[in-house]
Amino acid sequence: DQQVKQNSPSLSVQEGRISILNCDYTNSMFDYFLWYKKYPAEGPTFLISISSIKDKNEDGRFTVFLNKSAKHLSLHIVPSQPGDSAVYFCAAIDGGFKTIFGAGTRLFVKA
Amino acid sequence: DVKVTQSSRYLVKRTGEKVFLECVQDMDHENMFWYRQDPGLGLRLIYFSYDVKMKEKGDIPEGYSVSREKKERFSLILESASTNQTSMYLCASSPSWGQGLSGANVLTFGAGSRLTVL
Repeated sequence: DQQVKQNSPSLSVQEGRISILNCDYTNSMFDYFLWYKKYPAEGPTFLISISSIKDKNEDGRFTVFLNKSAKHLSLHIVPSQPGDSAVYFCAAIDGGFKTIFGAGTRLFVKA
Repeated sequence: DVKVTQSSRYLVKRTGEKVFLECVQDMDHENMFWYRQDPGLGLRLIYFSYDVKMKEKGDIPEGYSVSREKKERFSLILESASTNQTSMYLCASSPSWGQGLSGANVLTFGAGSRLTVL
């Protein structure tokens, strides 16, 4: 049973527009939520995180929103750029350092 | 500037062979992890280690074992490879809990080892 779910396998967005990637989770005890980005032939790299006591965290073009009552988080990328095309993994930390990942969403940003 | 190095990028093995996947990190991290990545399933945790000679089972440990004799090195072992172990294997490391960015334990990944078992 997946504790972290990304229901959209792929998303296509025009350059300059907003990309919204969604993630749902089932365990209300998660401490932190993170997003990782993965390019082909490379390992995932950390993008942005949010504590479970916050509802928003922003870093440049990237903003993560957390809705604890809905057990839902989202990653907004504004404006989207072709270099943002990658697979994005939602992740949650359980018990300190065990990280649980979603299945990933492949983002295509069209020039 | 490579911080987590996985020794083999691509391997092809036969069913029943013993397979070693090596991972080395140079960041003096306490925690090390092995994940496998499969389409539609994301990254699933196989084993992790929070100290030298310590290991804990992840979510899918069956068919795998690990070794951590030195802090910087974490090895994944497939005692008898099977076709359902064909996958991308990712090694990662992280500092002690609480020392990461904003308290979150951020993972640094290697580039991955793609294993094909025939």
